[in-house]
Amino acid sequence: QKEVEQDPGPLSVPEGAIVSLNCTYSNSAFQYFMWYRQYSRKGPELLMYTYSSGNKEDGRFTAQVDKSSKYISLFIRDSQPSDSATYLCAMSLIQGAQKLVFGQGTRLTINP
Amino acid sequence: GAVVSQHPSWVICKSGTSVKIECRSLDFQATTMFWYRQFPKQSLMLMATSNEGSKATYEQGVEKDKFLINHASLTLSTLTVTSAHPEDSSFYICSARRTNSYNEQFFGPGTRLTVL
Repeated sequence: QKEVEQDPGPLSVPEGAIVSLNCTYSNSAFQYFMWYRQYSRKGPELLMYTYSSGNKEDGRFTAQVDKSSKYISLFIRDSQPSDSATYLCAMSLIQGAQKLVFGQGTRLTINP
Repeated sequence: GAVVSQHPSWVICKSGTSVKIECRSLDFQATTMFWYRQFPKQSLMLMATSNEGSKATYEQGVEKDKFLINHASLTLSTLTVTSAHPEDSSFYICSARRTNSYNEQFFGPGTRLTVL
């Protein structure tokens, strides 16, 4: 079993739709949770960064963490064609090497 | 702020040659840098963690003699793929963590290596 599971998609939705992206994980010691956006042949770009459980909102993006269920989500409101990319969840331990463990990434396409 | 560059952005080499990839943090100091490898349509796999002035820590299964990492300054880390073979062809991405920041990593644009 992988430490972090993410549905690879692909996911295709019409412009303006609400998008929900999810990851589950097995290691309850993870404390920091991140969402990255990666365009084709580019490095990942940090979108959201949360610590422990709860919600965080930034513009059209909302990140949710439910540690009791070992489940994190990213919601994109009013999706735009420019949001088309691969979205990677990542998480790390509160201590130690601080290395990130990534999900497989979900390929998202927003259709005009 | 928090810009990380990589050079070259792509490289094609013959089997058996060595290739050096540079990773630079342009506007911040990075005590720690990370090297990842990404195969098509797959996620990033951590190869090694490099700390300025000390030896890199390699993940299980990564050959340290094949993937040489040097982190000689707070803004530069290099990855050298020695005696490259076609199976080393991949997308190599570095990230840098700000000094005194535990978890925010900023990624470079990646280097696409093709070994013929």
